[in-house]
Amino acid sequence: AQKITQTQPGMFVQEKEAVTLDCTYDTSDPSYGLFWYKQPSSGEMIFLIYQGSYDQQNATEGRYSLNFQKARKSANLVISASQLGDSAMYFCAMREGGTGGFKTIFGAGTRLFVKA
Amino acid sequence: GAVVSQHPSWVICKSGTSVKIECRSLDFQATTMFWYRQFPKQSLMLMATSNEGSKATYEQGVEKDKFLINHASLTLSTLTVTSAHPEDSSFYICSADGTSGRGTDTQYFGPGTRLTVL
Repeated sequence: AQKITQTQPGMFVQEKEAVTLDCTYDTSDPSYGLFWYKQPSSGEMIFLIYQGSYDQQNATEGRYSLNFQKARKSANLVISASQLGDSAMYFCAMREGGTGGFKTIFGAGTRLFVKA
Repeated sequence: GAVVSQHPSWVICKSGTSVKIECRSLDFQATTMFWYRQFPKQSLMLMATSNEGSKATYEQGVEKDKFLINHASLTLSTLTVTSAHPEDSSFYICSADGTSGRGTDTQYFGPGTRLTVL
């Protein structure tokens, strides 16, 4: 069965510093995708970054990068140069078997607080 | 990018009434849509997978007779909460997969519908 674990219920980071949000996953399917989403207080789910299980390089999207360690089954999100607007809930998610038509499961989430 | 809308964005209803929530993919066709519910300070929990032209697949523990899902077209899926009760109060979010080749590496989420049952 799929499983996503986020062990940090809450994290604090000083503005302009980098922060790492942890995520580990468990799957027996060799083909899967890993996602990170941001959910501000408004509730909308904002897609941040995607990593495919066969991707050789770590994904990057602007200030977001994904530290993908396949052997350890971890997919940590790194946010560089934190901004006050980064304060939100962050969810790690996984999808097995490619990207079409398969359900996504979410971790419990990490609430990030950025301090001025 | 791909856009998914939900309507209404919030709804308050009396206990015992039924509420319909619409999920639309605005600029792409979605053969598959997903419905999630999220309780305060909790994660998203998948309720069901909605496939165009066929019956929805419900997750274990989700009452299919209470949460009716219809996916009649490639751009519209509806979730009807029948005989709603206060414990059904939650944030309901839909998401959609595209078929155009654009955005197939991710699901696109609607903005959510906050349901409050009095």
